[in-house]
Amino acid sequence: AQKVTQAQTEISVVEKEDVTLDCVYETRDTTYYLFWYKQPPSGELVFLIRRNSFDEQNEISGRYSWNFQKSTSSFNFTITASQVVDSAVYFCALSEGRIYNQGGKLIFGQGTELSVKP
Amino acid sequence: DGGITQSPKYLFRKEGQNVTLSCEQNLNHDAMYWYRQDPGQGLRLIYYSQIVNDFQKGDIAEGYSVSREKKESFPLTVTSAQKNPTAFYLCASSMLLAGQLAYNEQFFGPGTRLTVL
Repeated sequence: AQKVTQAQTEISVVEKEDVTLDCVYETRDTTYYLFWYKQPPSGELVFLIRRNSFDEQNEISGRYSWNFQKSTSSFNFTITASQVVDSAVYFCALSEGRIYNQGGKLIFGQGTELSVKP
Repeated sequence: DGGITQSPKYLFRKEGQNVTLSCEQNLNHDAMYWYRQDPGQGLRLIYYSQIVNDFQKGDIAEGYSVSREKKESFPLTVTSAQKNPTAFYLCASSMLLAGQLAYNEQFFGPGTRLTVL
């Protein structure tokens, strides 16, 4: 079965704290892609990162970093020194490879609502 | 500016009415998608289209219909057969590269919030 689980429904932190959002996935495919999206209060989803299943290197982009571990089927997202502007709902998503997924379908987790308080 | 537009932003529907949500993109993307978002459930795929005049059902297509007469446009009709249509609807598009869609990120519109009165 293909599934994405974000066990943390809501997280609340104080500004400047580090926070990690968890994502666990299940897939039948050996080739797949993982994504993180941010949904601010305006509603539009904003693409943050894509990772393919053959690349387990961690990635850092400014205050954002991602930890991809195939052994535990996880793709966690860490925000360092959080800011109020980071408050949003964050979604992890899975896209299986073209053998199973000609249409490029994304399977989303339930989302984690992050609230950063000043 | 390239992007995806959705209209209207808010839509109210009476019981038994069909309503159509608009989605237009000027990104020259091949594929377009419709998702439904309910609180605590993430996004679920309604329909998608890889090319003009062709579309496929997603996970929750019952009570919805679409058309893809132009590359830029992918309107969604919520019919009276959809029993619980109150939700936030998001349209997305992506590019076909190297013969596949799975790799490419989807770009999203601002959404339409539909409420049944």
